[in-house]
This record gives sequence, C-alpha cells and structure tokens, in this order.
Amino acid sequence: AQSVTQPDIHITVSEGASLELRCNYSYGATPYLFWYVQSPGQGLQLLLKYFSGDTLVQGIKGFEAEFKRSQSSFNLRKPSVHWSDAAEYFCAVVNYGGSQGNLIFGKGTKLSVKP
Amino acid sequence: DGGITQSPKYLFRKEGQNVTLSCEQNLNHDAMYWYRQDPGQGLRLIYYSQIVNDFQKGDIAEGYSVSREKKESFPLTVTSAQKNPTAFYLCASSITGGQNSNQPQHFGDGTRLSIL
Repeated sequence: AQSVTQPDIHITVSEGASLELRCNYSYGATPYLFWYVQSPGQGLQLLLKYFSGDTLVQGIKGFEAEFKRSQSSFNLRKPSVHWSDAAEYFCAVVNYGGSQGNLIFGKGTKLSVKP
Repeated sequence: DGGITQSPKYLFRKEGQNVTLSCEQNLNHDAMYWYRQDPGQGLRLIYYSQIVNDFQKGDIAEGYSVSREKKESFPLTVTSAQKNPTAFYLCASSITGGQNSNQPQHFGDGTRLSIL
C-alpha cells in the first residue's frame, strides 16, 4: 500500500529565512503528488501539484516543490518565509488501487515563524 | 464563486444526542469526502462518496452515518454511538474519486464539534 511520511511534526523558522518541508512517499511508479496548507481553524488549500514533466513545480504564495524519484521525496520550499506562512502543511499522494478515497495524506508539519 | 460550504462553523452536542453536519458544494464534483482531524493525527477518512446514491466507509466510520441523495450535498451525522466526537470535521470534494483518480480535493472551512 502507498504511504506518505512527513518526518517533521513541528518546524520553527525565523521570518525571512528559507524553508524546506520534507515529504517522502512509497509507490513503485511515478506518483501524483500534492501539497496543501491549512491555516488555524480553516480548511486545506491546495498549494501545488506534481503529475509529470518538470520535476520542479511552482505553486501559489511563492512556494515550490521538487520531485526526486531517487529519494522518493517531494519537498516543499520557500526562499523567504513570511509570518503569514505559519500554518500546517500536508503532503498527499494519489491512492492507486486503494479503497479509501483518492488521496492519502501525511500527518502534517506545523510551521511556526519567529519574528 | 464555486466552493464548498460547511455549516455550522461551531456545533455543540449533548450526551446521547445525534447531530448533523452540513456540506454543500457547487463545483459540480462527483466525489465527496468527510474527514476528522484531531491534534497531531492528521486527517482521518470517515466516509466518502464517488457518486450520488453511493458511499463507502473510510478508516473510522463507526459512530457516523452519511447520505448522498443529491450531487451537491453530503451531510454527516454524528450519532450517540460515537463516544469521542469532539474534533474538527472537514468536508472535501473532487471532480472524480476512487481508485486512480488524480484529481485534487477541495476543502470546506470545517465544523468544530464539542461536547457539552
């Protein structure tokens, strides 16, 4: 069965610093991958998606993610973090052949931003 | 603008009471989902529906029930059998659902349910 792992439960970065949130997936072929963001008390918003082609994908709010097949990773990055980026971030993979809906979500990484 | 509307935003349940959470979408999506979110546990799938008049249990369906009589509506009932219902509930939809669908899910803003 496929799975998604977000190794970091909580990350704190200073405002203006760069950010990288890790996501590892398990799937034999090329997966379809997504990153979502959730502000406190809100629903999830789609940041970006990877289906095929260029392994560096651009998203909204200045985020980008890089697909690395050799490392089974799809890490989310931002060059300079703003205080408004404080939120929880979820990585997800399409659930091929599974029986529990079409996406499998990681458990999330909570981002705190220091002034 | 198209989107997903969840209501109410906050809901309180008394012991032994059933409550129903509303989820309406005007995106013309076939598939709809209900998730439960507890701190540190990510999203857990309660029920999902790939098409009108059909739905399947997710990982934690016990104590919950759903219906899908209309394409745009997927209400969730939290029954008295659910002993620990306090959580944040999220509804989502996608153009298509089920195995191999590569469509992203779109989420509502959630309902927070608490026990009185």
